[in-house]
Amino acid sequence: GQSLEQPSEVTAVEGAIVQINCTYQTSGFYGLSWYQQHDGGAPTFLSYNGLDGLEETGRFSSFLSRSDSYGYLLLQELQMKDSASYFCAVDNAGNMLTFGGGTRLMVKP
Amino acid sequence: DAGVIQSPRHEVTEMGQEVTLRCKPISGHDYLFWYRQTMMRGLELLIYFNNNVPIDDSGMPEDRFSAKMPNASFSTLKIQPSEPRDSAVYFCASSLGLGKNTEAFFGQGTRLTVV
Repeated sequence: GQSLEQPSEVTAVEGAIVQINCTYQTSGFYGLSWYQQHDGGAPTFLSYNGLDGLEETGRFSSFLSRSDSYGYLLLQELQMKDSASYFCAVDNAGNMLTFGGGTRLMVKP
Repeated sequence: DAGVIQSPRHEVTEMGQEVTLRCKPISGHDYLFWYRQTMMRGLELLIYFNNNVPIDDSGMPEDRFSAKMPNASFSTLKIQPSEPRDSAVYFCASSLGLGKNTEAFFGQGTRLTVV
């Protein structure tokens, strides 16, 4: 079966850096994605890692280690608007996303 | 493109009634996904299509659920008969395909309440 583990909740202050970890066990693996979802909204794509290493997109970075079945999302210079749920998702069949349970990030002033 | 369009945005129905959720994917996207989101179970993949053909429906909870994609621009998810435990937000998403193109674009969802 498939399983993705991520913390259920993280709290940080504005301007800080936060890292959200994701470990996975899947029957196949093509890549790891991250999605952001604000309350009442739809998930939106943040980043994708198909190979080991770090991908940077503005204030957000994502890392993957295939040998460790592990990845993380790094959010820098946190802003209040970053308060949302963050999901890691494994592409385990060439184009089938399986999502983790999500991490609720609360950014405090 | 207007993005993935779902209708209705909200649906309240009585137990036992048939419910049909609709989705228009982004033009040119070959893959279409139906997800269900609840607090207890998170985001669950129900079924996905490639070029209008169902590829994996192992996530469909029961025979009460069925999905169709008669053409590249339209898909439906039907629940018959509906039950209170079906209450959830149902998302449709579409994507181009492999690798980085696995980015899925989600519709705004249909919030279903079965009373």
